[in-house]
Amino acid sequence: DSGVTQTPKHLITATGQRVTLRCSPRSGDLSVYWYQQSLDQGLQFLIHYYNGEERAKGNILERFSAQQFPDLHSELNLSSLELGDSALYFCASSVVGQRDSGYTFGSGTRLTVV
Amino acid sequence: AQKITQTQPGMFVQEKEAVTLDCTYDTSDPSYGLFWYKQPSSGEMIFLIYQGSYDQQNATEGRYSLNFQKARKSANLVISASQLGDSAMYFCAMITSGSARQLTFGSGTQLTVLP
Repeated sequence: DSGVTQTPKHLITATGQRVTLRCSPRSGDLSVYWYQQSLDQGLQFLIHYYNGEERAKGNILERFSAQQFPDLHSELNLSSLELGDSALYFCASSVVGQRDSGYTFGSGTRLTVV
Repeated sequence: AQKITQTQPGMFVQEKEAVTLDCTYDTSDPSYGLFWYKQPSSGEMIFLIYQGSYDQQNATEGRYSLNFQKARKSANLVISASQLGDSAMYFCAMITSGSARQLTFGSGTQLTVLP
């Protein structure tokens, strides 16, 4: 157990629907990062939150949004889902300034859009 | 912009032998960190080893070592005494001081350890 909890582990939904992925960071970590892993795009950074504030955006579609709550858990909202959104979505957390352990990843949420 | 290149889509190694997984990187930032992650078939991302751009010595973590050649911009992962459980996808990744701590990943290398 990495200490980063992602739910659900698997999600199957239809095109056009909206889903919410949840992440609880490791205790003490203020930063949460979301990554998408797909067969054609590989691992891509989506968005970074630090202590409730958005810090950086990567290749995140406008149909996707995220937030980090006061208890530091984060949610990634995916709407108007398309077949191409099927992917493994990772959340990772880190302590700012921690240099040599990178990020701790959760086990991911595997989203299948049918 | 940062870029990580892993040129070996797949590698095979005999159990108990050593194997080197290649990684080259490109960045104009003088301060950066390089990581290797392991992703077994179950999907989770497992941190293996880290090398900072200013570190004088190559990083080692148990059976993992990082062959860091700064002038060549390479950061190859060496796994000694391979085990069947090492069969997985391996990703090289980088952060830079200018990248807001976001990781840039390579395309990965699928390692298969043969009995």
